[in-house]
Amino acid sequence: QVQLVQSGPEVKKTGASVKVSCKASGYTFPSYGITWVRQAPGKGLEWMGWIATYNDKTNYAQKFQGRITMTTETATSTAYLELRSLTSDDTAVYYCATYRGTYSDHWFDPWGQGTLVAVSS
Amino acid sequence: QSVLTQPPSASGTPGQRVTISCSGSRSNIGTKTVTWYQQLPGTAPKLLIYTNDQRPSGVPDRFSGSKSGTSASLAISGLQSEDEADYYCAAWDASLNGVAFGGGTKLTVL
Repeated sequence: QVQLVQSGPEVKKTGASVKVSCKASGYTFPSYGITWVRQAPGKGLEWMGWIATYNDKTNYAQKFQGRITMTTETATSTAYLELRSLTSDDTAVYYCATYRGTYSDHWFDPWGQGTLVAVSS
Repeated sequence: QSVLTQPPSASGTPGQRVTISCSGSRSNIGTKTVTWYQQLPGTAPKLLIYTNDQRPSGVPDRFSGSKSGTSASLAISGLQSEDEADYYCAAWDASLNGVAFGGGTKLTVL
Protein backbone atom coordinates (compact mmCIF):
# COMPACT_ATOMS: atom_id res chain seq x y z
CA GLN A 1 0.00 0.00 0.00
CA VAL A 2 1.02 3.63 -0.44
CA GLN A 3 3.15 4.73 2.49
CA LEU A 4 5.14 7.85 3.35
CA VAL A 5 7.90 7.73 5.96
CA GLN A 6 9.41 10.98 7.16
CA SER A 7 12.76 11.79 8.73
CA GLY A 8 13.24 12.21 12.46
CA PRO A 9 12.78 15.21 14.76
CA GLU A 10 14.98 18.27 14.40
CA VAL A 11 16.11 20.96 16.80
CA LYS A 12 17.33 24.16 15.18
CA LYS A 13 18.55 27.57 16.21
CA THR A 14 16.83 30.76 15.13
CA GLY A 15 18.05 31.76 11.67
CA ALA A 16 19.07 28.26 10.66
CA SER A 17 17.60 26.05 7.93
CA VAL A 18 15.97 22.63 8.14
CA LYS A 19 15.49 19.93 5.52
CA VAL A 20 12.86 17.27 6.09
CA SER A 21 12.60 14.15 3.94
CA CYS A 22 9.60 12.05 2.97
CA LYS A 23 10.23 8.61 1.45
CA ALA A 24 7.40 7.10 -0.58
CA SER A 25 6.72 3.44 -1.24
CA GLY A 26 3.98 1.26 -2.64
CA TYR A 27 3.45 3.16 -5.90
CA THR A 28 5.28 4.67 -8.85
CA PHE A 29 6.70 7.89 -7.43
CA PRO A 30 5.90 10.22 -10.37
CA SER A 31 2.23 9.15 -10.27
CA TYR A 32 1.25 11.50 -7.45
CA GLY A 33 2.42 14.91 -6.32
CA ILE A 34 3.64 15.60 -2.82
CA THR A 35 2.27 18.32 -0.57
CA TRP A 36 3.56 19.67 2.74
CA VAL A 37 1.34 20.78 5.61
CA ARG A 38 2.44 21.93 9.04
CA GLN A 39 0.79 22.12 12.44
CA ALA A 40 2.08 24.35 15.24
CA PRO A 41 1.57 23.04 18.79
CA GLY A 42 -2.13 23.12 19.66
CA LYS A 43 -3.00 24.80 16.36
CA GLY A 44 -4.66 23.85 13.08
CA LEU A 45 -3.32 22.68 9.76
CA GLU A 46 -1.44 25.07 7.48
CA TRP A 47 -0.74 24.29 3.82
CA MET A 48 2.82 25.11 2.71
CA GLY A 49 2.79 24.08 -0.93
CA TRP A 50 3.13 21.16 -3.29
CA ILE A 51 5.40 19.71 -5.93
CA ALA A 52 4.44 17.76 -9.03
CA THR A 53 6.79 14.81 -8.90
CA TYR A 54 6.70 14.13 -12.66
CA ASN A 55 8.13 17.53 -13.63
CA ASP A 56 9.17 19.15 -10.31
CA LYS A 57 6.84 22.08 -10.82
CA THR A 58 6.08 23.73 -7.49
CA ASN A 59 3.36 25.91 -6.01
CA TYR A 60 4.24 27.50 -2.69
CA ALA A 61 1.90 29.24 -0.29
CA GLN A 62 2.43 33.00 -0.46
CA LYS A 63 3.38 33.10 3.21
CA PHE A 64 6.53 31.01 2.61
CA GLN A 65 7.66 32.43 -0.72
CA GLY A 66 11.36 33.19 -0.68
CA ARG A 67 12.38 30.86 2.14
CA ILE A 68 10.95 27.50 1.09
CA THR A 69 12.15 24.92 -1.41
CA MET A 70 10.51 21.61 -2.27
CA THR A 71 12.46 19.05 -4.25
CA THR A 72 12.29 15.40 -5.20
CA GLU A 73 14.72 12.59 -5.90
CA THR A 74 13.00 10.09 -8.19
CA ALA A 75 15.78 7.48 -7.88
CA THR A 76 14.99 7.05 -4.17
CA SER A 77 11.27 8.05 -4.29
CA THR A 78 11.98 10.80 -1.77
CA ALA A 79 10.62 14.32 -1.46
CA TYR A 80 12.29 17.07 0.52
CA LEU A 81 11.14 20.24 2.21
CA GLU A 82 13.71 22.92 3.05
CA LEU A 83 12.72 25.92 5.14
CA ARG A 84 15.23 28.71 5.76
CA SER A 85 15.58 31.63 8.19
CA LEU A 86 13.76 29.75 10.93
CA THR A 87 12.05 31.54 13.81
CA SER A 88 10.22 30.22 16.84
CA ASP A 89 6.99 30.56 14.84
CA ASP A 90 8.22 27.71 12.64
CA THR A 91 8.13 25.27 15.54
CA ALA A 92 5.62 22.70 14.33
CA VAL A 93 5.01 19.18 13.14
CA TYR A 94 5.59 19.02 9.40
CA TYR A 95 3.59 16.49 7.38
CA CYS A 96 4.01 15.30 3.83
CA ALA A 97 1.16 13.70 1.91
CA THR A 98 0.50 12.58 -1.63
CA TYR A 99 -1.93 14.80 -3.41
CA ARG A 100 -4.47 13.54 -5.92
CA GLY A 101 -6.72 15.30 -8.40
CA THR A 102 -6.32 18.83 -9.71
CA TYR A 103 -5.84 22.17 -7.99
CA SER A 104 -9.60 22.77 -7.93
CA ASP A 105 -10.55 19.24 -6.89
CA HIS A 106 -7.78 17.73 -4.83
CA TRP A 107 -7.25 15.62 -1.77
CA PHE A 108 -4.29 14.55 0.35
CA ASP A 109 -3.96 10.82 1.01
CA PRO A 110 -2.09 9.21 2.64
CA TRP A 111 -0.07 11.34 5.06
CA GLY A 112 3.35 10.73 6.54
CA GLN A 113 3.75 10.30 10.28
CA GLY A 114 4.99 13.87 10.76
CA THR A 115 8.34 15.40 11.70
CA LEU A 116 8.68 17.70 14.69
CA VAL A 117 10.86 20.73 14.06
CA ALA A 118 11.65 22.74 17.18
CA VAL A 119 13.27 26.16 16.82
CA SER A 120 14.82 27.96 19.73
CA SER A 121 17.29 30.73 20.34
CA GLN B 1 -7.69 33.84 10.77
CA SER B 2 -8.75 31.01 8.41
CA VAL B 3 -10.63 31.81 5.20
CA LEU B 4 -12.75 28.75 5.89
CA THR B 5 -14.74 29.06 9.11
CA GLN B 6 -15.55 26.09 11.32
CA PRO B 7 -17.01 26.01 14.82
CA PRO B 8 -14.16 25.36 17.28
CA SER B 9 -16.06 22.62 19.04
CA ALA B 10 -18.95 20.19 18.68
CA SER B 11 -20.27 17.41 20.86
CA GLY B 12 -22.76 14.58 20.96
CA THR B 13 -23.65 11.41 22.78
CA PRO B 14 -23.10 7.90 21.42
CA GLY B 15 -25.58 7.06 18.70
CA GLN B 16 -26.43 10.69 17.99
CA ARG B 17 -26.02 12.52 14.68
CA VAL B 18 -23.66 15.48 14.62
CA THR B 19 -22.94 17.98 11.87
CA ILE B 20 -19.90 20.21 11.47
CA SER B 21 -20.13 23.25 9.21
CA CYS B 22 -17.49 24.89 7.03
CA SER B 23 -18.26 28.35 5.70
CA GLY B 24 -16.32 29.96 2.87
CA SER B 25 -16.79 32.24 -0.11
CA ARG B 26 -16.97 32.26 -3.90
CA SER B 27 -13.20 32.16 -4.13
CA ASN B 28 -13.07 28.77 -2.43
CA ILE B 29 -16.06 26.57 -1.56
CA GLY B 30 -18.35 28.45 -3.94
CA THR B 31 -16.33 27.34 -6.98
CA LYS B 32 -14.09 24.50 -5.79
CA THR B 33 -14.59 21.13 -4.13
CA VAL B 34 -14.34 20.50 -0.40
CA THR B 35 -12.27 17.89 1.41
CA TRP B 36 -12.59 16.76 5.02
CA TYR B 37 -9.84 15.30 7.22
CA GLN B 38 -10.01 13.57 10.58
CA GLN B 39 -7.14 13.88 13.05
CA LEU B 40 -7.26 11.52 15.99
CA PRO B 41 -5.29 12.64 19.07
CA GLY B 42 -1.55 12.40 18.55
CA THR B 43 -1.78 11.14 14.97
CA ALA B 44 -1.46 12.44 11.43
CA PRO B 45 -4.58 13.66 9.62
CA LYS B 46 -6.53 11.12 7.60
CA LEU B 47 -8.67 11.68 4.50
CA LEU B 48 -12.36 11.38 5.37
CA ILE B 49 -14.31 12.94 2.48
CA TYR B 50 -13.14 14.18 -0.91
CA THR B 51 -14.81 15.97 -3.83
CA ASN B 52 -17.54 17.27 -1.49
CA ASP B 53 -19.26 13.97 -0.75
CA GLN B 54 -17.06 11.03 -1.74
CA ARG B 55 -15.86 8.52 0.86
CA PRO B 56 -12.53 6.74 0.37
CA SER B 57 -12.62 3.00 0.78
CA GLY B 58 -12.45 2.06 4.44
CA VAL B 59 -14.32 5.13 5.71
CA PRO B 60 -17.61 4.06 7.31
CA ASP B 61 -20.81 5.27 5.66
CA ARG B 62 -21.68 6.94 8.98
CA PHE B 63 -19.60 9.83 7.62
CA SER B 64 -21.10 11.96 4.86
CA GLY B 65 -20.30 15.28 3.25
CA SER B 66 -22.37 17.85 1.44
CA LYS B 67 -21.95 21.26 -0.13
CA SER B 68 -24.36 24.07 -0.91
CA GLY B 69 -23.30 27.42 -2.28
CA THR B 70 -20.37 28.71 -0.22
CA SER B 71 -20.82 26.29 2.68
CA ALA B 72 -20.14 22.64 3.32
CA SER B 73 -21.04 20.20 6.07
CA LEU B 74 -19.73 16.98 7.51
CA ALA B 75 -22.33 14.73 9.13
CA ILE B 76 -21.54 11.86 11.46
CA SER B 77 -24.39 9.54 12.31
CA GLY B 78 -24.42 6.82 14.93
CA LEU B 79 -21.71 8.67 16.86
CA GLN B 80 -19.08 6.44 18.45
CA SER B 81 -16.43 7.14 21.08
CA GLU B 82 -13.68 6.54 18.53
CA ASP B 83 -15.01 9.48 16.48
CA GLU B 84 -13.61 11.85 19.09
CA ALA B 85 -11.09 13.82 17.04
CA ASP B 86 -10.35 17.11 15.30
CA TYR B 87 -12.03 17.61 11.93
CA TYR B 88 -10.76 19.97 9.23
CA CYS B 89 -12.31 21.13 5.98
CA ALA B 90 -10.14 22.29 3.09
CA ALA B 91 -10.54 23.78 -0.37
CA TRP B 92 -8.52 25.58 -3.00
CA ASP B 93 -8.78 29.35 -2.65
CA ALA B 94 -8.40 31.38 -5.84
CA SER B 95 -7.54 34.58 -3.95
CA LEU B 96 -4.74 32.89 -2.02
CA ASN B 97 -3.78 30.76 -5.02
CA GLY B 98 -3.38 27.98 -2.54
CA VAL B 99 -5.11 25.47 -0.30
CA ALA B 100 -7.09 26.85 2.62
CA PHE B 101 -7.87 24.82 5.71
CA GLY B 102 -10.62 25.55 8.18
CA GLY B 103 -9.52 26.23 11.74
CA GLY B 104 -10.65 22.77 12.81
CA THR B 105 -13.49 21.48 14.97
CA LYS B 106 -12.83 19.44 18.09
CA LEU B 107 -15.52 16.77 18.41
CA THR B 108 -16.21 15.45 21.89
CA VAL B 109 -18.28 12.31 22.45
CA LEU B 110 -19.99 12.77 25.81
